[in-house]
Amino acid sequence: EPEVTQTPSHQVTQMGQEVILRCVPISNHLYFYWYRQILGQKVEFLVSFYNNEISEKSEIFDDQFSVERPDGSNFTLKIRSTKLEDSAMYFCASSDRGGTNTGELFFGEGSRLTVL
Amino acid sequence: QKEVEQNSGPLSVPEGAIASLNCTYSDRGSQSFFWYRQYSGKSPELIMFIYSNGDKEDGRFTAQLNKASQYVSLLIRDSQPSDSATYLCALVGNAGNMLTFGGGTRLMVKP
Repeated sequence: EPEVTQTPSHQVTQMGQEVILRCVPISNHLYFYWYRQILGQKVEFLVSFYNNEISEKSEIFDDQFSVERPDGSNFTLKIRSTKLEDSAMYFCASSDRGGTNTGELFFGEGSRLTVL
Repeated sequence: QKEVEQNSGPLSVPEGAIASLNCTYSDRGSQSFFWYRQYSGKSPELIMFIYSNGDKEDGRFTAQLNKASQYVSLLIRDSQPSDSATYLCALVGNAGNMLTFGGGTRLMVKP
C-alpha cells in the first residue's frame, strides 16, 4: 500500500540551528501538508502546498519556516533557526483531493524534533 | 472559544460494547468532518469522513453529523481492545482548506 515516508524519524538539535525535515508523499498525490503536534497537545496545521506553491499557512508558519519541493518526489520543511518551542512531532501528509475533500489525508509516521 | 471541542477522556468501555465519541465545533460554515485514530506515538489515521447531515456507516463505525447543533459523533460497535487509541475529530472550516483538529478523546477498551 502506498505510504508517505518521512526522514529523519528523530532529530536532536541545538537551539539556533537549522533543521530540514524530509517527506516523500504518495506518488500520485498533488496536495501536500505539514502539521505538527507538541507532546500532549493537538495536531496543528502549519502549511499546505499545491502546484509548487504555498496554498495556505497558519500563524505558526512564520519567517523561520519554509517549504520546498526540490524535485518530483521530495517535500521538505526547513526551520532556519530553531527555538525550544519548536520541539514537536512534525507530520507530513498528502492527498489526491482538494477543496472540501481536503481532509482525506494520508499522514507519514512523523519526525520528532527535539531542540536543546 | 475552541474551534473543535472533545472530551479528553479517558472513555472506558468493556469489550463488545458500543463506544460513543462526541465532538462539537464553533464554525457554522464548516463543510466537512473527519474522524482520525491516533495510537500513542503514531500518526493520525483516517477512519471516516462525513459531509452531509445524518448517519454514515462503515463496518463497525458510524459517523453522525448534525450541522444545526454543530455536533459530530463517532460510534464504534463491538469495541475491541485494539480500538484503544485517541480519536481525533477534525473539520475543514470556513477559513480555508486545511484541517482543524480537536484535542482528541482517549478510548480504552477493556477485555
